[in-house]
Amino acid sequence: EVQLVESGGGLVKPGGSLRLSCVASGFTFSSYTMNWVRQAPGEGLEWVSSITSGSSYIYYADSVKGRFTISRDNAKNSLYLQMNSLRAEDATVYYCATADWGFGGSFLYWGQGTLVTVSS
Amino acid sequence: ETVLTQSPGTLSLSPGERATLSCRASQSVSSSYLAWYQQKPGQAPRLLIYGTSSRATGIPDRFSGSGSGTDFTLTISRLEPEDFAVYYCQQYGSSLYTFGQGTKLEIK
Repeated sequence: EVQLVESGGGLVKPGGSLRLSCVASGFTFSSYTMNWVRQAPGEGLEWVSSITSGSSYIYYADSVKGRFTISRDNAKNSLYLQMNSLRAEDATVYYCATADWGFGGSFLYWGQGTLVTVSS
Repeated sequence: ETVLTQSPGTLSLSPGERATLSCRASQSVSSSYLAWYQQKPGQAPRLLIYGTSSRATGIPDRFSGSGSGTDFTLTISRLEPEDFAVYYCQQYGSSLYTFGQGTKLEIK
């Protein structure tokens, strides 16, 4: 069974930092492009960042470029998101998701999300 | 950046009726990279349709997708009670993804 389990969310002050993790199981993690997607309570989905299977290519949404860093450790089946200079608008649920090129790059598997709260 | 605009924002229908959800792109989208997701409260999104018209594994055949260029449609032929949820379209282009703002399908 495919599982993606996010962790690392919590309360942080504006301007602070947080590191999210996503541990994968049930599939060959090292073969997949991985993504972070976020969703504010009651709002829509926003793609945040992608990293290819071997970390060769990394992409960010303009809203987080220069502040967030995506990385992965294939030996640990883990995906990370280092978030710096956090703002109120970064307070959302963060999901990790696989991009499956057999499915047109769409996001086949999703975690259950981890909540980030930004408040003084 | 390709902006996706979904309409209507909310669709009120009854079980058994047909639902038609629209997704319009600000520029042409490759049909290979247009997907639809369903999200229920408290849950992660679920992939329904990829490549404009291909159903993901386990998705009932009452769900169908169509379109090309800048206009795409998700159709649910006969609504079941479990279909009432929020639906998002998504596109991939120039190494970036964008989502539409969602259509809420509610019970009338």
